[in-house]
Formats: sequence, C-alpha cells, structure tokens
Amino acid sequence: NAGVMQNPRHLVRRRGQEARLRCSPMKGHSHVYWYRQLPEEGLKFMVYLQKENIIDESGMPKERFSAEFPKEGPSILRIQQVVRGDSAAYFCASSFRQGMNTEAFFGQGTRLTVV
Amino acid sequence: GENVEQHPSTLSVQEGDSAVIKCTYSDSASNYFPWYKQELGKRPQLIIDIRSNVGEKKDQRIAVTLNKTAKHFSLHITETQPEDSAVYFCAASQFSNDYKLSFGAGTTVTVRA
Repeated sequence: NAGVMQNPRHLVRRRGQEARLRCSPMKGHSHVYWYRQLPEEGLKFMVYLQKENIIDESGMPKERFSAEFPKEGPSILRIQQVVRGDSAAYFCASSFRQGMNTEAFFGQGTRLTVV
Repeated sequence: GENVEQHPSTLSVQEGDSAVIKCTYSDSASNYFPWYKQELGKRPQLIIDIRSNVGEKKDQRIAVTLNKTAKHFSLHITETQPEDSAVYFCAASQFSNDYKLSFGAGTTVTVRA
C-alpha cells in the first residue's frame, strides 16, 4: 500500500494561471479531506469528499477554488486565477471510514508557489 | 466554530529533558484531540490522540492529558532525543463532524544535543 499520494510535490504558477493538485487516496479509502497550511500556521480544513460527492466544503474560499473526487481517478483540488495569497502547502488525507479519527493518513502535500 | 490556541510557539530543550506543549479549545462539543508531528517539508503524522472519555493516555515517551472542564489538553514528551525536533500541532474536532480538525498554530521543538 503506497499510502496517500499527492502530485505534484511542488508547483509554481504565475498569477492568473490555474493550479491543479491531485490526491490519490490509500487503497480502499473512499473518504478524502483537503487541508491548507499557510506558512508558519496550522492546517485549515477546506473540503471533505467521498466518491462523486462533496460532503462538506465549508472551508473552501467561495471563489476560484473547487474540488472533485470522481468515480475513477484521483481527487482534484483546482484553483483558478491564482494569486500570491494562494501560496501554501496543500495536504490531503484519506480514510476508510468517515472521520480524521478513524486512522486517516496525510499525503506528502503539494507546495504551491505563486509568482 | 472551534478555536484552538497552542503555546509556546517555540520550545528549546536539552536532550534528556522533558517538553510540554499546551493547547486550549473553545467548543465544549469537541471530543477528539489528536497531536501531529511534522518534520520540515514532510507530512503531518499522528503521534497520539485522546478522546473526551479519558483524562490521560500514554505511549512510551509521549503522554497526553485532557481537562474537559478547563478545556485544555497537553502533550508531554519525556527523555527528549534529537529526533524529537519537529513542529508539533494539536487539534480538536467534534463527534458530529469528526472530519473537520481545527489545528493550533504549532510549536517548533528543538532538542539540543
């Protein structure tokens, strides 16, 4: 079991471009959570998805950000028209059952730098 | 929503000494309190957690205590070693939405050899 895989590990985008971050959950896991970590801060919840469903997106900025977890393939976090303030580490986690307290594991993260 | 505060922000200890990190939370409905260790550039890793039905939990050199009345919980690391150097985060969540962890701002622990 390769664990939670995120790619790319590092992503550089110019202001105004789009960023696509991918998260492949652990085998058998159907619950995915995205968190954002701004420099020198704790992680902040963004969105919780199950296959083909967004369960809770209360932590997502209202504009430019979207997430999906299709029936086949990885979960995608998409940021349109990136701005410097989007620079952060984006972590996803996955679990077999709902909840971060049910043996959820984080991926290595994608470090987005907007220049 | 939940607000978790963590202190201190940095902690330097001599190898072999103990390290203590304290967190407070605001929402009395929170009932799950994990601690994560994050080494530079790496993923956060769960090191220990505690649920609101117990007051203390220990795993080798690491222990957590929880005071529900005062709404605070602490991480204790004994006999610190250089490999304990990392950023430690406390977090809290409610049973009703246990996927939504609220994290503290982190404590950078440096163990001096």
